[in-house]
Amino acid sequence: KAGVTQTPRYLIKTRGQQVTLSCSPISGHRSVSWYQQTPGQGLQFLFEYFSETQRNKGNFPGRFSGRQFSNSRSEMNVSTLELGDSALYLCASSLFGTGSGNTIYFGEGSWLTVV
Amino acid sequence: TQLLEQSPQFLSIQEGENLTVYCNSSSVFSSLQWYRQEPGEGPVLLVTVVTGGEVKKLKRLTFQFGDARKDSSLHITAAQPGDTGLYLCAGDGSGSRLTFGEGTQLTVNP
Repeated sequence: KAGVTQTPRYLIKTRGQQVTLSCSPISGHRSVSWYQQTPGQGLQFLFEYFSETQRNKGNFPGRFSGRQFSNSRSEMNVSTLELGDSALYLCASSLFGTGSGNTIYFGEGSWLTVV
Repeated sequence: TQLLEQSPQFLSIQEGENLTVYCNSSSVFSSLQWYRQEPGEGPVLLVTVVTGGEVKKLKRLTFQFGDARKDSSLHITAAQPGDTGLYLCAGDGSGSRLTFGEGTQLTVNP
């Protein structure tokens, strides 16, 4: 079965701009989570969506937002980009989210560089 | 806030050597996952351990979950260059999120 698909894979933005990243989960999966990965901070949880509802949110400023559509596809948006937002943004898909031993599958990520 | 401390952060060994990576926390996790990530790719799940004291083997990799479900270890026997990568432990605790350790960058030299 097709894996988790993230687009775009690479992008470069200028400070102050905004960016939208997209994630298509594995077919049938209703939970989509987003993580930010940087060399200094490792993987940090951004938020999780399940059936179009945000169930949990990490400790990121309000510039980071997301949504999930009825087909479970998800987007995350970062507004007013800062240099420190340069990172690999990873999307994770699962049937029901964490817990109960559900397997989490990650996409290859979207590399964002802010200049 | 749940934290996972992973050690060592970097490990460079020769082919054929054994190694152990540790993942420790003061918090209890309902389960713990180990992932391997290669450059330019997302993490790939290696194993999930759920029961305290559980030991799982995946070919030359042995994973153990502590009795109190606060720590875990990954042991690789006779490491090979193909084992090179970033190894991440992740705990499934409170809320619909995984808490990741900082990762162990393993390099196995031929």
